[in-house]
Amino acid sequence: SSELTQDPAVSVALGQTVRITCQGDSLRNYYAGWYQRKPGQAPILVIYTSNNRPSGIPDRFSGSNSGNTASLTITGAQAEDEADYYCNSRDSSGNHVVFGGGTKLTVL
Amino acid sequence: EVQLVESGGGLVQPGRSLRLSCAASGFTFDDYAMHWVRQAPGKGLEWVAGISWNSGSIGYVDSVKGRFTISRDNAKNFLYLQMNSLRPEDTALYYCAKDRVRPLDNVFEAWGQGTTVIVSS
Repeated sequence: SSELTQDPAVSVALGQTVRITCQGDSLRNYYAGWYQRKPGQAPILVIYTSNNRPSGIPDRFSGSNSGNTASLTITGAQAEDEADYYCNSRDSSGNHVVFGGGTKLTVL
Repeated sequence: EVQLVESGGGLVQPGRSLRLSCAASGFTFDDYAMHWVRQAPGKGLEWVAGISWNSGSIGYVDSVKGRFTISRDNAKNFLYLQMNSLRPEDTALYYCAKDRVRPLDNVFEAWGQGTTVIVSS
C-alpha cells in the first residue's frame, strides 16, 4: 500500500506531551518526514530521517519509528505548536512520495 | 537564505494548459532534487511530482501522469510544471519544494509560498 494514515485531530494541554502517529507499509522501508503547517503559511520541515531536526526547530520536537508506524512527539507543547502536522514517505516503489492526511493539533 | 518563488498560477478553463515556474536562489540549485506539492481547498498536502538534480529521475502522482510534466533548468535556477488537460480537481495551491539530497527523496527542507491554480469554466 502507498497510503499513510494519520489521526485527523489530536489535542494536548499546554505544557504536556503529545504523540502524533503515521502508519503505512512504506514506513517499514523508508523514514518519515514530518511537516508543520499553520494557516496561511507554507509547510515547515520539523523532523526527518527518523529523528533529525533541521536548524531552528526546538528540541521539544522528536521522532521515532517502529515497524509500520512513525511518531512525532512534542514534549512540553506550546501554544505556537498548534498547527496541522503531516507525515510523508517514499512509497513502496521508492519512486514516489506520499503524504499522510494530516493531523490537526489543538493546544488547550 | 534559501528562497523559492512560485509563479504562473491563475484561473483556467477545464482542458486548458498552464505552466508553473519556481525561481530558486540562496543555494546551489543543481545539487538538489526538487518537487511540486499541492493542497486543494479543504484537503491535505499531496505530492504532485519530483525531479532529481540532473533530471535523470522523475516521478508523478498517478492522477497527473500523462498530463503534467516537471522539468528544471539548472543554468537558470528554475523549476517548472507544465500542466495540460487541466481538470477541476487540479484546483489547488501549488508549492515548489527543495529536497535535502540530489536523488528523489521525501525530505522537503524548504518550501515556497505557493501559487494558486483554479480550474473552472
